[in-house]
This record gives sequence, structure tokens and C-alpha cells, in this order.
Amino acid sequence: NAGVTQTPKFQVLKTGQSMTLQCAQDMNHEYMSWYRQDPGMGLRLIHYSVGAGITDQGEVPNGYNVSRSTTEDFPLRLLSAAPSQTSVYFCASKSGANVLTFGAGSRLTVL
Amino acid sequence: AQSVTQLDSHVSVSEGTPVLLRCNYSSSYSPSLFWYVQHPNKGLQLLLKYTSAATLVKGINGFEAEFKKSETSFHLTKPSAHMSDAAEYFCVVSGGGYQKVTFGTGTKLQVIP
Repeated sequence: NAGVTQTPKFQVLKTGQSMTLQCAQDMNHEYMSWYRQDPGMGLRLIHYSVGAGITDQGEVPNGYNVSRSTTEDFPLRLLSAAPSQTSVYFCASKSGANVLTFGAGSRLTVL
Repeated sequence: AQSVTQLDSHVSVSEGTPVLLRCNYSSSYSPSLFWYVQHPNKGLQLLLKYTSAATLVKGINGFEAEFKKSETSFHLTKPSAHMSDAAEYFCVVSGGGYQKVTFGTGTKLQVIP
């Protein structure tokens, strides 16, 4: 009964470093997505996927890459971290009833 | 196109008094509407959802919301606030299937003892 699992929970990077935020779901949802949450701005969609092999950009995709090789996994890659990417990141999958299930979040700080 | 506006960024109520969190939406189709709650340093939890059935939707923890198409509103209410209700609340609109999900900017609810 894991739902959506995100790792790591916390990460500190230096400017220019790369890293991958992992996301896995065990509900067989086709739709998966990544959001970032910043104070006063709600959640903004970074990238999403409607199935294995299919990804698309959201509102704020710049500086992030994604891939979807399996139904279960949807990693988010930061190729060259910038201080503006300091945020809390949430992965979510969506059921056929249109309900999003969120992971616990990953807090990223870029120095 | 769709959008959602949460009319108050902060709401403060006394424990035991009613809660009203306001949300207006716009959508070019019949939307699904949701309220999510986020307690400090936690993920988001679904409170309730509207998907074109009954216009008054009951959720968890005594919350409910009424869909008013004529006013394009989906306000969240609770008759009596509890200290544990202190959290941030997000109104969300979504099209069906794989259509875009749009979040409001959130309302922080403070409950004063």
C-alpha cells in the first residue's frame, strides 16, 4: 500500500551540480507528473506523462528533464542546478477518476 | 483554458467557529473540482471532489463544498473549526482524462484557541 514514493526527502546541491529525483508508484496509474511548490505560488506543473514512453512539458519545464521507461517510474533530472530551483518538489499520479495521489515531497536547496 | 482563484491567502478563525475558504474557477468545459489539504511539512491529501454528481460534496473531517455553476464557485466550509484544521488548503480544477490540472495559490487557515 505504498502509493507514490519519492526519494530523496532532502537534498542540498551546489550550483551547476546535477541530480535525479526519483518517483515510483504502485497503483498502475498511466498519468504521472512533477510539481514544484514555492511560497505564495501554489503548485506549478513541471512535466507530465500519460504513459510509458510519453512525456510532455508543463508550465515551468526549463532546467528539468524527465523520462518514462516504465509505468511505475518517473524520474526528474536537474542537469545543472541553479539557486532558482530551490523548492519543494512533489510527484503525483492520477487515477482514472481524475484524483491525484501525491508523494511526500522532496525539499531541494541549491547553494 | 482553465484557471482557479483562491480569494484569500490567509484566513484566521477561532476554534469552534465556522470556516469558509473561497474558490472561483473558470473552465471551457465541465470541470472536476477538488480541495486538497497540506499540513506543515507534509504532502497533499484529498479532502473532497466534485465530478458532476451532487452539487454539495461532503469530504473528510467534516468539510464540505458546494459547486455553484452560475457563480463559478466551489467554496469549502466546515461548521466548527478544530485546532487540527490549521493547514494550507488548495482548490484544484481539472479536465477529464489526461487534461491539465491547475492549482490555486492556496489559503492558509489559522485556528486560534
